[in-house]
Amino acid sequence: DIQLTQSPSFLSASVGDRVTITCRASQGISSYLAWYQQKPGKAPNLLIYAASSLQRGVPSRFSGSGSGTEFTLTISSLQPEDFATYYCQQLNSYPLTFGGGTQVEIK
Amino acid sequence: QVQLVESGGGVVQPGRSLRLSCAVSGFSLSTYAMHWVRQAPGKGLEWVAVILYDGSDENYADSVKGRFTISSDNSKNTLYLQMNSLSGEDTAVYYCARASVSYCSRFTCRTFDFWGPGTLVTVSS
Repeated sequence: DIQLTQSPSFLSASVGDRVTITCRASQGISSYLAWYQQKPGKAPNLLIYAASSLQRGVPSRFSGSGSGTEFTLTISSLQPEDFATYYCQQLNSYPLTFGGGTQVEIK
Repeated sequence: QVQLVESGGGVVQPGRSLRLSCAVSGFSLSTYAMHWVRQAPGKGLEWVAVILYDGSDENYADSVKGRFTISSDNSKNTLYLQMNSLSGEDTAVYYCARASVSYCSRFTCRTFDFWGPGTLVTVSS
């Protein structure tokens, strides 16, 4: 199985900050990576697919990059509604796997 | 509009069975692959199973293989997850989720654009 390691697991930031979350895969997965946002008590929401493609309706302050084994999710200017937990997910092969999550909280 | 609603969760004793349902509207199960994803209390996301839009293939997480079965009834617009031999490790919120692309193939079947609100399964004596 492909393991995904996210860092950091917890991040404290202020509104307006630029935030970067990293996801590392245990083996190369080309660009087969997605990012989700999850707020407490809610289902996840797809943000990015194919490592860098923005899902319809997602604000442009979210961006993704990377390929192979290292990927990043960047929020260019953190907004109050962005405080949530973020997960990466590999779609290279079954079983599909998620990273452990990065909780973004208000400083 | 697209909606997914899970049901069938509850408290069940270890070793027993439970069947979850996911009623969908706004699209047809015959055009989208469907997944189950679960989340244990306070933990991260774990993919559980997938069924292709034409029912031609299924895939399971190792942790549920041989115990869980995914199926769909297109005439009822309902996805199912039959869960047998349940243990405490299966305690989680179970989400059904739609693949992002209709008539998907390989990688396009493997991201999820719409999710249900989830149903809680608690395995406890």
